[in-house]
Amino acid sequence: DAGVTQSPTHLIKTRGQQVTLRCSPKSGHDTVSWYQQALGQGPQFIFQYYEEEERQRGNFPDRFSGHQFPNYSSELNVNALLLGDSALYLCASSIGASGYNEQFFGPGTRLTVL
Amino acid sequence: AQKVTQAQTEISVVEKEDVTLDCVYETRDTTYYLFWYKQPPSGELVFLIRRNSFDEQNEISGRYSWNFQKSTSSFNFTITASQVVDSAVYFCALSEDHGSGNTGKLIFGQGTTLQVKP
Repeated sequence: DAGVTQSPTHLIKTRGQQVTLRCSPKSGHDTVSWYQQALGQGPQFIFQYYEEEERQRGNFPDRFSGHQFPNYSSELNVNALLLGDSALYLCASSIGASGYNEQFFGPGTRLTVL
Repeated sequence: AQKVTQAQTEISVVEKEDVTLDCVYETRDTTYYLFWYKQPPSGELVFLIRRNSFDEQNEISGRYSWNFQKSTSSFNFTITASQVVDSAVYFCALSEDHGSGNTGKLIFGQGTTLQVKP
């Protein structure tokens, strides 16, 4: 049973560029959440997708956008990259969008902005 | 406002010592959930435990135990007879339940880096 997968593993971009990160949820899961983890910090919630809709958003600018596909996979897009966007981006999946549900995390995508 | 505080940034112990990781949370909700996750160097967060706000029973799983006290808003994690493989960053997290509008957003603490030396 495959867990949560993310691609790519690492990515290097320059300021002003755009990036797309991808996530495939664990089998049977229908909800995907995205988190940003800066070095030495705890993960920060970006947004969550359920039934192909953004259900809640954290304190992130509109440069961060996402999408969920009918097969429940998801993309995170970041436009006009800033140096401060350098971080580990984690995807988590769960069954349903309840606060009770255990979220399973992927290995993350390490984004470096130069 | 919701907040999770892990005051211990780094802890270093020698193998076989017991170690307790502290977690203090803030929330105005009466229904909420508390979690502990482990993050090894590979980066993937590994779920350890979930507790809901109505269940204050302590829990033990092998060498791991958790102490939940609503009176002090704390959810501490103890590793007994630590091992080198326990070395990792440990995160405490909070999720609130807003009924139909709930989305399962996790609010994480800053994490505690545990180093277990042989």
